[in-house]
Amino acid sequence: EDQVTQSPEALRLQEGESSSLNCSYTVSGLRGLFWYRQDPGKGPEFLFTLYSAGEEKEKERLKATLTKKESFLHITAPKPEDSATYLCAVLTSAPYNFNKFYFGSGTKLNVKP
Amino acid sequence: KAGVTQTPRYLIKTRGQQVTLSCSPISGHRSVSWYQQTPGQGLQFLFEYFSETQRNKGNFPGRFSGRQFSNSRSEMNVSTLELGDSALYLCASSLPPASGTGGNEKLFFGSGTQLSVL
Repeated sequence: EDQVTQSPEALRLQEGESSSLNCSYTVSGLRGLFWYRQDPGKGPEFLFTLYSAGEEKEKERLKATLTKKESFLHITAPKPEDSATYLCAVLTSAPYNFNKFYFGSGTKLNVKP
Repeated sequence: KAGVTQTPRYLIKTRGQQVTLSCSPISGHRSVSWYQQTPGQGLQFLFEYFSETQRNKGNFPGRFSGRQFSNSRSEMNVSTLELGDSALYLCASSLPPASGTGGNEKLFFGSGTQLSVL
């Protein structure tokens, strides 16, 4: 069964304290792994797509990496505005999959000033 | 460019009633997907529509249905509401994927409709 697990469930950091969020996946075939950010009262907002092991993407203080079993979202010197829930989602390579993403339960990040 | 618009923003219904939620995708996006988000289950896929055709559906009972119109706008309907249907219902639109690359499937979400069933 296709499954996506994120850890930790919640993470509290001091401003400037770097850390990493984990997304492990068990799928029959990976077409793409996606990271989203969700703020309270809003829908998820796209951050990155990773397609193959070894791939890395960066955006400001965020860097996403991918291996054959997991992805990491590294947050360098976070600021309070980085506080949000971070979701990872997997799109499998099954035929006729059309946007059927499997989402993890998310990591709620709280960055204190 | 306007984002994905979902209406209404909040709904309160009682058990046994039915509800219709609406979604207007980003202009030019022809794929519309629906997801249910709850604290316990996270985001779960309901169904996806493209050119007025349902191409995929998740593991939800038949009480959950949807449709897409010729202008790509979509509606989802839940009949005979149950307490467990209380959730945030999210609509997302996307461009069709580029051939053979898996690209362009990134989803653009609306802010959702918060449904409370009493």
